[in-house]
Amino acid sequence: SQTIHQWPATLVQPVGSPLSLECTVEGTSNPNLYWYRQAAGRGLQLLFYSVGIGQISSEVPQNLSASRPQDRQFILSSKKLLLSDSGFYLCAWNRAGGDTEAFFGQGTRLTVV
Amino acid sequence: GENVEQHPSTLSVQEGDSAVIKCTYSDSASNYFPWYKQELGKGPQLIIDIRSNVGEKKDQRIAVTLNKTAKHFSLHITETQPEDSAVYFCAAGSYDKVIFGPGTSLSVIP
Repeated sequence: SQTIHQWPATLVQPVGSPLSLECTVEGTSNPNLYWYRQAAGRGLQLLFYSVGIGQISSEVPQNLSASRPQDRQFILSSKKLLLSDSGFYLCAWNRAGGDTEAFFGQGTRLTVV
Repeated sequence: GENVEQHPSTLSVQEGDSAVIKCTYSDSASNYFPWYKQELGKGPQLIIDIRSNVGEKKDQRIAVTLNKTAKHFSLHITETQPEDSAVYFCAAGSYDKVIFGPGTSLSVIP
């Protein structure tokens, strides 16, 4: 069966510090991978998606970046965090082709102080 | 790109009543329309989905309808129960990405 792991679960970082959130998927190959952000009481904002290794598409211009160094690994990064980067970050995957159920990780609660 | 709108943003119903959430999308290439339920502090989970070649689908107390011409789709929950209280998201998907609506916070009052 397929599983998705996302860590850490919670993170408190000072303004200006770097960020690295990691997501891995097991039990499938060549998945579509996604990073979403959910601000408090708000909807899911698509940040990045990837249909293959090294292929990253950005939906929203920002100081975040994403990388996919391996087929089932998706990393969200920032060189310098802003207060506005606080939120709930969710990694998700679905099968290549896109029009299938997306499975979400448990999320990372990021607080920038 | 795709834009998904969702209404209402909050909804309160009495236990046993029905709840209806409506969504619209903009990209005619979208062909997959899932609905997700998110409980506090967790990731969303799929509750039902519909594809563009189907107009209606039902699973027990939950039904979805799709009007592809008007680019509308709706979620209907009948005989609501307190455990239905959560945030519900509609989404529109195509071959490479899934775009979510802003969500509806549903409260079922016992």
